Amino acid sequence: EADIYQTPRYLVIGTGKKITLECSQTMGHDKMYWYQQDPGMELHLIHYSYGVNSTEKGDLSSESTVSRIRTEHFPLTLESARPSHTSQYLCASSDSGVGDTGELFFGEGSRLTVL
Amino acid sequence: AQSVTQLDSQVPVFEEAPVELRCNYSSSVSVYLFWYVQYPNQGLQLLLKYLSGSTLVKGINGFEAEFNKSQTSFHLRKPSVHISDTAEYFCAVSDHGAQKLVFGQGTRLTINP
Repeated sequence: EADIYQTPRYLVIGTGKKITLECSQTMGHDKMYWYQQDPGMELHLIHYSYGVNSTEKGDLSSESTVSRIRTEHFPLTLESARPSHTSQYLCASSDSGVGDTGELFFGEGSRLTVL
Repeated sequence: AQSVTQLDSQVPVFEEAPVELRCNYSSSVSVYLFWYVQYPNQGLQLLLKYLSGSTLVKGINGFEAEFNKSQTSFHLRKPSVHISDTAEYFCAVSDHGAQKLVFGQGTRLTINP
């Protein structure tokens, strides 16, 4: 049973449109992450957050932006989508404190296609 | 910095055959080790994890992995695979204290009938 939810699962849009990918988790995790993954390829960390009002860029440069106004919510926004943004975007969260082992809990993913 | 190498990008096997997916990591410090599975068009699911204790770890769907500290390896095995095991498998490592997960490049397991 999923405790981390991503919407939409699939999105097809035209170039230049603004899009927001939603991610919510009900586990009370402080840490949240966005990964970008091309089909059959490795995962690339593009954004992460260790708590409310805290966001950092990941290892792979991305034109997207994120916000963390509430603990449970970590949306990703593209102001002007381009075909090069076509990819799968995976949201994840992890515990912090004594129980923190680095284990990530993933959502189902959002597959974005920009025409 | 920690790095993870999955030695095979693709592994084709016949149904009911055994399989081993190899994973090596770079760090010599204490680590936590994970295997995740990704089915087509889905997110990653935790298959198994090593935190401490016994070096042989059993996971879901009949998979197991063995932590070998001297060889810095965490290979994944299954004695008899099924068509439903067709998926991408990711090895991941985090250092004690850092708790930042580093992923390998993934291994695509294809099961042939």
